[in-house]
Amino acid sequence: QQQVKQSPQSLIVQKGGISIINCAYENTAFDYFPWYQQFPGKGPALLIAIRPDVSEKKEGRFTISFNKSAKQFSLHIMDSQPGDSATYFCAASGRGTYKYIFGTGTRLKVLA
Amino acid sequence: SQTIHQWPATLVQPVGSPLSLECTVEGTSNPNLYWYRQAAGRGLQLLFYSVGIGQISSEVPQNLSASRPQDRQFILSSKKLLLSDSGFYLCAWSVEGAPGGNTIYFGEGSWLTVV
Repeated sequence: QQQVKQSPQSLIVQKGGISIINCAYENTAFDYFPWYQQFPGKGPALLIAIRPDVSEKKEGRFTISFNKSAKQFSLHIMDSQPGDSATYFCAASGRGTYKYIFGTGTRLKVLA
Repeated sequence: SQTIHQWPATLVQPVGSPLSLECTVEGTSNPNLYWYRQAAGRGLQLLFYSVGIGQISSEVPQNLSASRPQDRQFILSSKKLLLSDSGFYLCAWSVEGAPGGNTIYFGEGSWLTVV
């Protein structure tokens, strides 16, 4: 019940295409869903986050879509660029907890 | 603004030797502090977290220990390293009640190779 399942494990997209990464959770007590971007040899950096009171949040080319009834959320990268090539982690946390439950990561490669 | 410093960035240690990784956070007070480990090409494994000085919670039984001697200082240690301790170690922090939620911010990481 504490898992966050992330898919796909790896993704190859052409430049200008849309990258889509999906995550699913089981614990309905989760109320904060961030996405992190990690470049090789660096620590993960917060990319965008959403709370379950909204169904979508957009920041530039990055959009989170959230489906509360299905307990799923996804990251969409529009107009994907080679500089977006990185590993992406979804996560979930609940009110009053100090821990995140991370997905297993998606390695994205955008071809020039 | 808040910053997190983690060192050393890279180290190679022989099996059986001790380990000390240090992390400090600046620009905030009473942060929650975390140590994560990431095996090559793998996900993030929470090792320890701390909500205050001297308060350490261990997530995974292992060869490592953590200490928080000061509010913004977090130390990861081992008395005798194992080959399986190799990996990318990440310190992180968060603050309760921050406007953006309980967001976790990571340091740049420390690469440990045990030989």
